[in-house]
Amino acid sequence: DSGVTQTPKHLITATGQRVTLRCSPRSGDLSVYWYQQSLDQGLQFLIQYYNGEERAKGNILERFSAQQFPDLHSELNLSSLELGDSALYFCASTPGQDTDTQYFGPGTRLTVL
Amino acid sequence: QKEVEQDPGPLSVPEGAIVSLNCTYSNSAFQYFMWYRQYSRKGPELLMYTYSSGNKEDGRFTAQVDKSSKYISLFIRDSQPSDSATYLCAMSASGTYKYIFGTGTRLKVLA
Repeated sequence: DSGVTQTPKHLITATGQRVTLRCSPRSGDLSVYWYQQSLDQGLQFLIQYYNGEERAKGNILERFSAQQFPDLHSELNLSSLELGDSALYFCASTPGQDTDTQYFGPGTRLTVL
Repeated sequence: QKEVEQDPGPLSVPEGAIVSLNCTYSNSAFQYFMWYRQYSRKGPELLMYTYSSGNKEDGRFTAQVDKSSKYISLFIRDSQPSDSATYLCAMSASGTYKYIFGTGTRLKVLA
């Protein structure tokens, strides 16, 4: 158990809908990273937050947004969902904002029908 | 060309074999190199973390980094069926706050 928690485990929804994925980092970790993992693309970095502020952006679509709250949990919002958004979404946390080792949560499996 | 290349496998080996997993990369600024193990439908689990070049050993696992060749390796000695998983390499440059992952190599250790 990495200490990172993610909810929900599974999410099934329809195209055009909006969903929110939640992540709680390890105790004491200030940075949260979000990743998307699909079969053909591997693990793709989406966005990083450090102590409530956005620090780095990867290949995140405009339909997706995230935030980190004062209690350090983070939410990833996915809107106008498309079939191609079906994937595993992971968050990871680190103590700092630089290249500390990342500890991953168990993921949320999103299925868009 | 992807920044990080990794053979997807699958790689099948008999129990007890030495396994060699590799990644190549193109960005010479990468200084931090990681190997993760991912079981099916689970989150990646950190195995090894190496800074710059050289070797690092932890139990049955050895990580090697050759920055001159832009090539990293993970060796698994005395492989076990429980080692069957997907192995992901990841790397990062200082100050970028971003990890770049390989697509992963599927390993199957046969009992």
